[in-house]
Amino acid sequence: GQQVMQIPQYQHVQEGEDFTTYCNSSTTLSNIQWYKQRPGGHPVFLIQLVKSGEVKKQKRLTFQFGEAKKNSSLHITATQTTDVGTYFCAGPGAAGNKLTFGGGTRVLVKP
Amino acid sequence: NAGVMQNPRHLVRRRGQEARLRCSPMKGHSHVYWYRQLPEEGLKFMVYLQKENIIDESGMPKERFSAEFPKEGPSILRIQQVVRGDSAAYFCASSPRSGGFVGELFFGEGSRLTVL
Repeated sequence: GQQVMQIPQYQHVQEGEDFTTYCNSSTTLSNIQWYKQRPGGHPVFLIQLVKSGEVKKQKRLTFQFGEAKKNSSLHITATQTTDVGTYFCAGPGAAGNKLTFGGGTRVLVKP
Repeated sequence: NAGVMQNPRHLVRRRGQEARLRCSPMKGHSHVYWYRQLPEEGLKFMVYLQKENIIDESGMPKERFSAEFPKEGPSILRIQQVVRGDSAAYFCASSPRSGGFVGELFFGEGSRLTVL
């Protein structure tokens, strides 16, 4: 079945630094979504990318969808303590019935 | 507008008991998904339901787990004869989904099950 993998599993970042987290799917995706889950919280939708090579920005967050529509990345600039949490990517299966989530990247920010 | 409502937020059961988790989707949403999350792990798909129909239950364990979404009332995830390995957070999500591939999911705050 479809697999979605994310690296790194953990990301320790100094406040103010930049970092990138990566998402790879075993199958071509019609779209890819990103969610953020704060510690003890629930996943919250951030963005959806649909087009090959698409790039979208939300303030300090930049999301990119690969040309082959099998991978994606999230780049955060000038990391802040409010960025703490787990970032998940997710893609629909072949039937489009459900979202398969990656294992997430857990972001810890050092002040 | 109320979001996705899940209850109970926390549930403690002894081994062998039953756990019943409820989920009311957002107003206007007729598609419900259940996911399970173990500590420090990702979200594992369990089941996708529409009103009175199970569309995809490929992630549900074959035994002890069942789900329903009746015409009236919330969706229910039922776990019979719970074991310690069932301890997890169970998240419900809903979607308005008018067709095509699944879009944005709106998650509830989760039900955290602890089996003693």
